Parts: sequence; C-alpha cells; structure tokens
Amino acid sequence: AQTVTQSQPEMSVQEAETVTLSCTYDTSESNYYLFWYKQPPSRQMILVIRQEAYKQQNATENRFSVNFQKAAKSFSLKISDSQLGDTAMYFCAFVEGGSQGNLIFGKGTKLSVKP
Amino acid sequence: NAGVTQTPKFQVLKTGQSMTLQCAQDMNHEYMSWYRQDPGMGLRLIHYSVGAGITDQGEVPNGYNVSRSTTEDFPLRLLSAAPSQTSVYFCASTNKKNYNSPLHFGNGTRLTVT
Repeated sequence: AQTVTQSQPEMSVQEAETVTLSCTYDTSESNYYLFWYKQPPSRQMILVIRQEAYKQQNATENRFSVNFQKAAKSFSLKISDSQLGDTAMYFCAFVEGGSQGNLIFGKGTKLSVKP
Repeated sequence: NAGVTQTPKFQVLKTGQSMTLQCAQDMNHEYMSWYRQDPGMGLRLIHYSVGAGITDQGEVPNGYNVSRSTTEDFPLRLLSAAPSQTSVYFCASTNKKNYNSPLHFGNGTRLTVT
C-alpha cells in the first residue's frame, strides 16, 4: 500500500526567511502525481503546488518550489521569503496515475511564521 | 462560481442520532469523495464515487453510507453517530479524466458527537 510520511509535525520560521518541509512516499508505481496542500486556520484546503512523476524538472509556483527526488521517493516543499500568511498546516499528498483518483495524504506539518 | 458546497458548517449530535452531511458541486466533476480529518492523522478517505450510481469504500468506511444519484450531489450519512466520529469532514471533487487535476475541496463540516 502507498504511504506518505511527513516527519516534521511542527516547524517555525522567521518572516522573510526560507523553510523546507519534508515529505517521503512509498510506491511501486512509476506513474503518479504529488501535491502540496495548505490549510490555514480558516480550514480551507488550498492547492500549493503539483508535480508529475514523469517530469524531471522541479515544479515552481512563485515563492513555492519543490525538490523532487524520484529515486529517493522524496518530495520536499521550499517556501522562500516566508510571509505571515504562510502560517498553516501543510499536507503532502500522492495519487497513482490510472487510479480512481484517491489521494493519500501525509499527517501534515504545522508551520508557524513569526514576525 | 460556487465550486464544492458543504452543509452544515457545524453540527453537534448525541450518540445514536443520525444525520446527513450534504455535498454539492457545480463543476460537472465525475469524481467525488469524502475525507475525515483528525488531529495528527491527516486526511483519511471514507468513501468515493467515480460517477453517478457508482460508489466505493475508502480507508475508513465503517459507520458511514453514501449514494450518488446525480453527478452534482454526494451526501454522507451517519446512521448511528458515535463519539469516534467526532471529526472535521471534507467533501472533494475532481475531473477524473485528468489525474493531474487537483481536488477541489468544500470548506468542511465540524461534527461533534457527545
């Protein structure tokens, strides 16, 4: 069975600094997709960034980028120039290509950005 | 531009009561699902549906029923609520023809069972 592991339950960072959130996953499939979702205190689930496993190039969305290491099954999220609005729970998620579309989530990392 | 709409936002039940959490989407998505979120557990899949008339179990289906009579609606039923079902429930949908398409989530229902 596929699993997603986020080893950092909580992290904190100073405003304007850079922070990296870790995620590892386990699968025997070669075709899959990875996502990072953000959940602020409002409880809303917001897509931050996505990565296709067949693409070697790391995805980037403004201040958010990933370090995708397929052989190591690692998918970390880097947040540059951290802002107070980045304070949230962050969830790493995985879905097999060709599956029914069921995402498997990690347990989350609670990120606090301090002024 | 409603997206995924969940009702109610909050609910308190007594043990043994029944209720239905409503979920509707207006994006003509074929795939819909229900997750529960518990502290320290992330989101766990309860049930999902890949189209009208088709439903299947996820990781934690016990105590919950679903049906999918239309593309738009995917209600989650608790037949006899238990304190272990105290959680935040999320409904989500996506276009299953494109697995790169992200899940669109509702705003969640916080359920407390006393």
